[in-house]
Amino acid sequence: NAGVTQTPKFQVLKTGQSMTLQCAQDMNHEYMSWYRQDPGMGLRLIHYSVGAGITDQGEVPNGYNVSRSTTEDFPLRLLSAAPSQTSVYFCASNGLAGGNSYEQYFGPGTRLTVT
Amino acid sequence: DQQVKQNSPSLSVQEGRISILNCDYTNSMFDYFLWYKKYPAEGPTFLISISSIKDKNEDGRFTVFLNKSAKHLSLHIVPSQPGDSAVYFCAASSHTSGTYKYIFGTGTRLKVLA
Repeated sequence: NAGVTQTPKFQVLKTGQSMTLQCAQDMNHEYMSWYRQDPGMGLRLIHYSVGAGITDQGEVPNGYNVSRSTTEDFPLRLLSAAPSQTSVYFCASNGLAGGNSYEQYFGPGTRLTVT
Repeated sequence: DQQVKQNSPSLSVQEGRISILNCDYTNSMFDYFLWYKKYPAEGPTFLISISSIKDKNEDGRFTVFLNKSAKHLSLHIVPSQPGDSAVYFCAASSHTSGTYKYIFGTGTRLKVLA
């Protein structure tokens, strides 16, 4: 099992550019989510999904879009990057039924800089 | 409005002593709580969790205590080791409400001194 994978590891964008952060998991988890980590702010939930075709907003959704066409993939799109979106982005997944399935597995993160 | 709070940004503890990390929450709908550990340049890794039907859960050197009336949980690490130096996040979610959103605190940086 590769677990949760994220690409790219690093990215530099200019203001106004768009890009997609990729996230994939091979654990057949229903739940996937995106977080951003900023100094002093902890991990803030951007968007999450409880299954293919179902997404919902987290605490800080503005400026980001998501879709969930398959169980495995949960890409995060920045339509028009802004310097305020400079952050480290983490994708996570977990199951929704019983045992330790509430434990979230995190990817290694994508460090994004917007100039 | 921050629903999960970790009021101590940092904590230093001598090796072999107890580390106590605290977390407070405001949403009474939260029914599941987790602690994560994070090293620099890595994703958070799961440490221990507790359901709201319990007041204590233990796993080796790590114990989590939950005080529902005070909306407070704490993570005890005994004995602390230098390898425990990391940032610790608490998180909360509401499974019975069906939303499954995980809300994290701002983290506490633990430094264990050798």
